[in-house]
Amino acid sequence: EIVMTQSPDTLSVSPGERATLSCRATQSVSSNLAWYQQKPGQAPRLLIYDASTRATGIPARFSGSGSGTEFTLTISSLQSEDFALYYCQQYNKWPALTFGGGTKVEIK
Amino acid sequence: QVQLQQSGLGLLKPSQTLSLTCAISGDSVSSISSSWHWIRQSPSRGLEWLGRTYLRSKWYDDYAESVKGRMTINPETAKNYFTLRLRSVTPEDTAVYFCASGLGDSGVFDSWGQGTLVTVSS
Repeated sequence: EIVMTQSPDTLSVSPGERATLSCRATQSVSSNLAWYQQKPGQAPRLLIYDASTRATGIPARFSGSGSGTEFTLTISSLQSEDFALYYCQQYNKWPALTFGGGTKVEIK
Repeated sequence: QVQLQQSGLGLLKPSQTLSLTCAISGDSVSSISSSWHWIRQSPSRGLEWLGRTYLRSKWYDDYAESVKGRMTINPETAKNYFTLRLRSVTPEDTAVYFCASGLGDSGVFDSWGQGTLVTVSS
């Protein structure tokens, strides 16, 4: 199983500042990496796939980078609605898709 | 935009069978460019992909090792939904269950159902 490790567990950021979230895989997943946002009581929402492609309707302040085992999600200027949980997910290995444990982005 | 609406009972006793339904609007369960998934989330296991069904030249399904042999995902083409059946549940199966649509064969989940809390308790 490919284990996805996210860091930090919690990120405290002021509105308007940049947030950088990391995701590491225990083996290469090529660019088969997605990022999701989840708010309390809601389902996850797709933000980024193929490591760097924004999903439909996702604002340009969200960007993804990386390949292989190291990935980054950057939120360039945090808005109030961006404070949430963020998960990475690899889809390189079937049928063993796996998610990271999540990073909580909270208001500083 | 695909919308997914889940239904099903959320309280079970150990050894019973979990049954959930995911109704699809805005797409077809028989689309050859989509796939249909179940995912669950619990504090102890986090987000866990469970399985999928999809139509290409024929119907296919895949399951995570953790539920293989206990889980069945079936399409219902006439009513445009798909179902999950998980047999012999234990308290370890307590979780919020989500259905989701996949982008082709990629394993990227672009639309999600609202989630169903399933509790297994004697």
